[in-house]
Parts: sequence; C-alpha cells; structure tokens
Amino acid sequence: LAKTTQPISMDSYEGQEVNITCSHNNIATNDYITWYQQFPSQGPRFIIQGYKTKVTNEVASLFIPADRKSSTLSLPRVSLSDTAVYYCLVGGFRDDKIIFGKGTRLHILP
Amino acid sequence: GAVVSQHPSRVICKSGTSVKIECRSLDFQATTMFWYRQFPKKSLMLMATSNEGSKATYEQGVEKDKFLINHASLTLSTLTVTSAHPEDSSFYICSARVLAGDSDTQYFGPGTRLTVL
Repeated sequence: LAKTTQPISMDSYEGQEVNITCSHNNIATNDYITWYQQFPSQGPRFIIQGYKTKVTNEVASLFIPADRKSSTLSLPRVSLSDTAVYYCLVGGFRDDKIIFGKGTRLHILP
Repeated sequence: GAVVSQHPSRVICKSGTSVKIECRSLDFQATTMFWYRQFPKKSLMLMATSNEGSKATYEQGVEKDKFLINHASLTLSTLTVTSAHPEDSSFYICSARVLAGDSDTQYFGPGTRLTVL
C-alpha cells in the first residue's frame, strides 16, 4: 500500500480556493487516489476519487499529474463549514483494505 | 452516495461488560465491511476486515477474542467489545465497500462513541 504525505494543517479564509497536495511517491499502477473529509465525532465522508488527469464533481476537483506521484484536492470558494480534516488515501482497485494517513487539518477563518 | 448506519451512536458501560455495535448498509449490499477505531486528534486505525459469511481478518495487534466481529448478512456487520475496560474507550467507525464498474469506494458510518467507566 502506497504511503501518503500531506501537510499537517492549513489555514484559509472564506471564499478562497483551497488546494491540498498529497505526495504518494510509491503509488502502484493499479492504485486509485481517494479523498475523504471528516468532521469531529463523525465518520469520514467520501469527496472524490481519481486515477489520472483531472476529476471534478459538485464539491471538489482532483488534479493528478502524469507521473501520479502526487495529487491535489481543490476546494472552490470555501466556507466556515469546510473546516475539517481531509485524508488522502491511495489504494489498489479491489485492494483488501485502506490505510489512513495523518490527514490535513483545514481551518477556515472568517 | 451509499448510506451506512451505526447503532448505537454512543454508549457508556461499566468495566467488564460487553458492548455490541451494529453497522448496516442501508441501500446496498456489502460483501466487505471494515472496522476502525479513532482516538482524539488521531487518524483512523484499521482494526479488521469483515467479509460476509467468513471469519474476519484482524490487523496486527488487534485481539480477535476481545473484538468479536460477525458479518452474517450482506447488510449487517457487528463488532462486540468483550469485557470492556477504560482503555477500550474510543470512537469506533465502520465502513462498507462498494464496487461499481471502475470504482472501488468505502462509505463510512457515523461512528459510535464508546466510554468505559
């Protein structure tokens, strides 16, 4: 399972675009990249998943360069309610399990 | 996305008692469910992988006799913390795996806060 490295914490302001980058240098060919959001005392919530290039949904975009050794979660126009911990996970398609890293604690300021 | 529920959401028990936590996939069938525990300000730690109709696979360091996992149906997995002690107090979270086409995603329950007095 590929190990991931993310910033421990980030601060931003309401209305800004926030980009959180995750490094996964030993990502394998069949590994997907998935991002989750977790609020205190709640289970993680799926945000987005991708394999390469760019993926966009109604809440976020995921940018993956050609070498796939990193990925960037982009949150457009954040609000105070986006304050949470964001986890980047890398795992093979149909892998048996996912291992969580430390995550990034995002704090949105008014 | 798929909905996963957990019951109870919080439980307080006395040391030495056993506590059962249920994890249900509400609108889909899940052949594989996972159990995690999370301490304050820490990340999720995988405890075990639960496959429907077979024995759970426990992570290293997790006592299988203390954390009993049963996955008797495609929509229900249970975690029983036997003879609970204060050090077992934690936030327990389950997830269910959804395989659909090219996607392989885990959807998480809301978690169960266990406090052992």
